[in-house]
Amino acid sequence: DTAVSQTPKYLVTQMGNDKSIKCEQNLGHDTMYWYKQDSKKFLKIMFSYNNKELIINETVPNRFSPKSPDKAHLNLHINSLELGDSAVYFCASSQNAGDYNEQFFGPGTRLTVL
Amino acid sequence: AQSVTQLDSQVPVFEEAPVELRCNYSSSVSVYLFWYVQYPNQGLQLLLKYLSGSTLVKGINGFEAEFNKSQTSFHLRKPSVHISDTAEYFCAVSRTGGGNKLTFGTGTQLKVEL
Repeated sequence: DTAVSQTPKYLVTQMGNDKSIKCEQNLGHDTMYWYKQDSKKFLKIMFSYNNKELIINETVPNRFSPKSPDKAHLNLHINSLELGDSAVYFCASSQNAGDYNEQFFGPGTRLTVL
Repeated sequence: AQSVTQLDSQVPVFEEAPVELRCNYSSSVSVYLFWYVQYPNQGLQLLLKYLSGSTLVKGINGFEAEFNKSQTSFHLRKPSVHISDTAEYFCAVSRTGGGNKLTFGTGTQLKVEL
């Protein structure tokens, strides 16, 4: 019973393509996040949604668009993929957006742009 | 804005030896402090967190950390490591009213050898 799941696990695609990564959590949490981990393992938050509402939107190119159809899902769509988008993308969730809440991470999606 | 510094990018240690992974933070407001562990090809898992109260925090897998406000540090320790502790360790902070946005350090690779 996976708490936070992501699909696909690996994604290899050509520059210029559009792709989506899906995330689902079965923890009943209100808040979900997307993080990007670069090749040096540096983790940076991209977006956060609380009850389907965007609450954190870091300086991310507008080619990246998150979508939350319901509280349990937060998908990430990327348009016109670039080489620099190659990274591991992690979805996470927490009970709510309170600052002390543990975040539960998914297994990651390794995106490779050729 | 907050920042987190993990000075040691790699820490090699022999099995059953003690280890300390260093973390320093910078913030103009009160913060909450976290240590996460990332095993190879997996997502992150919370080891422990400091919210308030006792400055010595105990976590899972025998790890503990001490919050030192005057030195703005939150070093992670384990008295006797095991091979299975080999992983990447991330220190992170969130601030009050920040929507649970985590700011991560650059990580420390702990390599336990026989």
